[in-house]
Amino acid sequence: SAVISQKPSRDICQRGTSLTIQCQVDSQVTMMFWYRQQPGQSLTLIATANQGSEATYESGFVIDKFPISRPNLTFSTLTVSNMSPEDSSIYLCSVGVRGYEQYFGPGTRLTVT
Amino acid sequence: GQNIDQPTEMTATEGAIVQINCTYQTSGFNGLFWYQQHAGEAPTFLSYNVLDGLEEKGRFSSFLSRSKGYSYLLLKELQMKDSASYLCAVDDYKLSFGAGTTVTVRA
Repeated sequence: SAVISQKPSRDICQRGTSLTIQCQVDSQVTMMFWYRQQPGQSLTLIATANQGSEATYESGFVIDKFPISRPNLTFSTLTVSNMSPEDSSIYLCSVGVRGYEQYFGPGTRLTVT
Repeated sequence: GQNIDQPTEMTATEGAIVQINCTYQTSGFNGLFWYQQHAGEAPTFLSYNVLDGLEEKGRFSSFLSRSKGYSYLLLKELQMKDSASYLCAVDDYKLSFGAGTTVTVRA
């Protein structure tokens, strides 16, 4: 397995501002992903964070709103830009291990007022 | 598109068995995951099925039928700590999640 940490664990932000969420893994991993889990709902994949190249975004998510960095094989950031109350959600990073297992970080609980 | 269905809620008694079904229609398929998620926590990996058949891991078993687009998670000897949401997810080089099944275990 992999040990994953996220910062911050939670935040309350004002609309129109941006928040950068950090994800750190205790070992080098090829695959890193960012998910969103809105209140009472399941997980939705935002993007795959690629090391050394631009992230791959899923339908409905764009780089201007959710810029992602992946400077190395153990770290990634997700920025939620120009926030609105609809962005209130839990944001989770996950990593792929051994080709198929995916492990999740503890999540960042974001509230936008 | 991806269509993954599982029941919204299930209730069972401590010590009993519960079976959570998941049906899927997806454009691709490499395997199927089951995750457990306690309220306010991140999902934790339970199982991954690639081939048809039953995989057993202690009190939890997972079954897959690729031809039928069907899987189930079987929880035996239920304990109060098993009260959680159980997520079915299809692996198509990325994970697509079902809405989750909330299992409540009663004494």
